[in-house]
Amino acid sequence: GQNIDQPTEMTATEGAIVQINCTYQTSGFNGLFWYQQHAGEAPTFLSYNVLDGLEEKGRFSSFLSRSKGYSYLLLKELQMKDSASYLCAVHAPRNTPLVFGKGTRLSVIA
Amino acid sequence: AAGVIQSPRHLIKEKRETATLKCYPIPRHDTVYWYQQGPGQDPQFLISFYEKMQSDKGSIPDRFSAQQFSDYHSELNMSSLELGDSALYFCATTPWGGRSYNEQFFGPGTRLTVL
Repeated sequence: GQNIDQPTEMTATEGAIVQINCTYQTSGFNGLFWYQQHAGEAPTFLSYNVLDGLEEKGRFSSFLSRSKGYSYLLLKELQMKDSASYLCAVHAPRNTPLVFGKGTRLSVIA
Repeated sequence: AAGVIQSPRHLIKEKRETATLKCYPIPRHDTVYWYQQGPGQDPQFLISFYEKMQSDKGSIPDRFSAQQFSDYHSELNMSSLELGDSALYFCATTPWGGRSYNEQFFGPGTRLTVL
């Protein structure tokens, strides 16, 4: 079966750093995606990891450990506009539908 | 840059009516995925198409059907609508092959409200 877990909600202060964790158990693994989704809008791509390690892209970084079935998304220098839901999604076999976690709702406060 | 187009953006229907949602992929994207996202829920996969053939099937009700046309656009047909069908419906598209991974590009979604 497919199971993806991430915290439901998190709160962080503007300018701070926040780490959103994701653990997964899937039949097959071909990559892990992080998407940002503002309420009522489409998910937008943030990052992709298929090999172990850290991928950095500006204020956002994503880490993967395949042996532990674990990933995290790190957001630095938080801005108010970063308040959104962050979805962890796994690609099991290649070119198949994404399996999404339930998302972490991040609130950035002043 | 061209993006995925969905129409209509908003749709209001009554119970037992039918609805048709349309998705126009990014040029040279030939794989389409349909997702349903209820309020406060994660996107749930419904069905996908590659080269006009159904490639995967998820939790799509029997009341729904979909197809992909020769120009690669896709339509999701929903009949006998129920209140529980109220949701955001996203389509996502990917190019087949030629990439190291298959990022799914999401359309803006269609918000369906069933009264």
